[in-house]
Amino acid sequence: QKEVEQDPGPLSVPEGAIVSLNCTYSNSAFQYFMWYRQYSRKGPELLMYTYSSGNKEDGRFTAQVDKSSKYISLFIRDSQPSDSATYLCAMSPKAAGNKLTFGGGTRVLVKP
Amino acid sequence: DADVTQTPRNRITKTGKRIMLECSQTKGHDRMYWYRQDPGLGLRLIYYSFDVKDINKGEISDGYSVSRQAQAKFSLSLESAIPNQTALYFCATSGPGAVGTQYFGPGTRLTVL
Repeated sequence: QKEVEQDPGPLSVPEGAIVSLNCTYSNSAFQYFMWYRQYSRKGPELLMYTYSSGNKEDGRFTAQVDKSSKYISLFIRDSQPSDSATYLCAMSPKAAGNKLTFGGGTRVLVKP
Repeated sequence: DADVTQTPRNRITKTGKRIMLECSQTKGHDRMYWYRQDPGLGLRLIYYSFDVKDINKGEISDGYSVSRQAQAKFSLSLESAIPNQTALYFCATSGPGAVGTQYFGPGTRLTVL
């Protein structure tokens, strides 16, 4: 069983819809949780990170962490075609650029 | 110019050949990483280096080796390439104060025939 599980999709939504993405994990030592966005033929770029449990909002993006359930989520409001990409969750047991464990990524398609 | 560059961007090689993938960064970061990406498997860490004299194996280091020639340069070698090493390879860097903020290069698409 992988340490971090993520539905590969594709997840297809109409423009303006809410996109809901999630990951589950098994390692209770994970403290830092990140979401990366990867466009086709590009390297991943950090979208958001959270520490421990709770919510974090940044514009149209909201990240949630539920450590008791070992479950993290990313919500994208008012989705745009430019949000079409693969979204990867990543986790680390401690800060400062320590090794990250990635989920397999979810491909998202936002249709105009 | 990009902060993290990788060469070549695409490479086709034959089984048994030795190849080297190169990574350079202008971010001034000490920490550098090599990952491979396969469909559905996400990014898996091959090797990482926290400074020029520090090299560590990741979860899938067998069949690979690395060289940290300078703070800004980190190379990945496949000593004898095999078809199941066909994948996308990414180099990344991070600074000491960044929480999980790894900056990725554009990737190298490697095909081993």
